[in-house]
Amino acid sequence: KAGVTQTPRYLIKTRGQQVTLSCSPISGHRSVSWYQQTPGQGLQFLFEYFSETQRNKGNFPGRFSGRQFSNSRSEMNVSTLELGDSALYLCASSWTGAAGEAFFGQGTRLTVV
Amino acid sequence: GENVEQHPSTLSVQEGDSAVIKCTYSDSASNYFPWYKQELGKRPQLIIDIRSNVGEKKDQRIAVTLNKTAKHFSLHITETQPEDSAVYFCAASILRHFGNEKLTFGTGTRLTIIP
Repeated sequence: KAGVTQTPRYLIKTRGQQVTLSCSPISGHRSVSWYQQTPGQGLQFLFEYFSETQRNKGNFPGRFSGRQFSNSRSEMNVSTLELGDSALYLCASSWTGAAGEAFFGQGTRLTVV
Repeated sequence: GENVEQHPSTLSVQEGDSAVIKCTYSDSASNYFPWYKQELGKRPQLIIDIRSNVGEKKDQRIAVTLNKTAKHFSLHITETQPEDSAVYFCAASILRHFGNEKLTFGTGTRLTIIP
């Protein structure tokens, strides 16, 4: 069974640009959640999608958005990038929801210059 | 909302010794407590979890204990080996069937095993 796949693995963007990250969950998993990992802040929850609906949202500005498609694949978008958005973005999938036995992807390393 | 505190932030132990990492949580409704291991440059991987109806769970050299009254849970690694070196994260959440509760993570413990 394939694991959670995130693309791309690495991204370098310029301040002010926007970026889209992709996450393909484990087959059969309906929930995808996104986390931002930075050395100073640890793992911070961004949002969770289940059956194409955002069910839970963390404390991030509106520049961070996401969506989920009917095949459970999810995308995360960050607009008007700031230097502080540089981080490892991880998605996790689970069958029932963000709280249950979440499996993480390898992450996308975003660097904003 | 839930708040999870994790200690220590760094831990060095001699190979073969035991390591203990402790976490406390604030929301008494939390009932699911997973532990993740993240090696350098790799994804966090679930190594063990415990639900609130259980006080202790073991898996070979790894064990987790939960004290619901005190709202704290701990990870115990016995007979440590060099491959145990990694960052360990605890987390807490409310597990519901088709629920939507987020995982709240501790700040991580960097464990170094000294050969």
